[in-house]
Amino acid sequence: GEDVEQSLFLSVREGDSSVINCTYTDSSSTYLYWYKQEPGAGLQLLTYIFSNMDMKQDQRLTVLLNKKDKHLSLRIADTQTGDSAIYFCAERGSGNTGKLIFGQGTTLQVKP
Amino acid sequence: DTAVSQTPKYLVTQMGNDKSIKCEQNLGHDTMYWYKQDSKKFLKIMFSYNNKELIINETVPNRFSPKSPDKAHLNLHINSLELGDSAVYFCASSQQTGGYNEQFFGPGTRLTVL
Repeated sequence: GEDVEQSLFLSVREGDSSVINCTYTDSSSTYLYWYKQEPGAGLQLLTYIFSNMDMKQDQRLTVLLNKKDKHLSLRIADTQTGDSAIYFCAERGSGNTGKLIFGQGTTLQVKP
Repeated sequence: DTAVSQTPKYLVTQMGNDKSIKCEQNLGHDTMYWYKQDSKKFLKIMFSYNNKELIINETVPNRFSPKSPDKAHLNLHINSLELGDSAVYFCASSQQTGGYNEQFFGPGTRLTVL
């Protein structure tokens, strides 16, 4: 089946790096995503990675994909208070419907 | 300009009532979605329409009925509301269903059933 799991909470100090982890079950997933949800708002795509890649870097964000272990991580360098939000890992579901399977979200708290 | 908009933003109603939530996107996308986010922030797909055709219909009670009058609109009607329907409902849209399929989310409708 399709399932995505994340830890629920992470607290870091401003300026530190944050690493949010995710595991998924569907080995046939072609794309994996990180979405960000700020309080009272909808989700916004932060970054995504295609399944044939191991790493993707986009400014302060680094995504690592370990297909063998079905593990995805998001590293945020120099974490700022504005990064405080809920971060959702998602995998693309099977078929061509555009279905996304989301994890339960990791709340990132950044302390000044 | 708001890309994906939903109305209302808040909806408080009694058990047993029927209510609708409306969604509109001005991105010219072909595909629209409804998601439910529960009190633990767990987000789950409910329905998806591609070019006004239903393509995803997850295990959702038939009290929930989506309707897409055109590609830019996807409404959600809920009959006989129950306490367990209380959640935040998100509408989203994407250009297509293939490729990396970035989905753009609306701000959500917080439904409270009393």
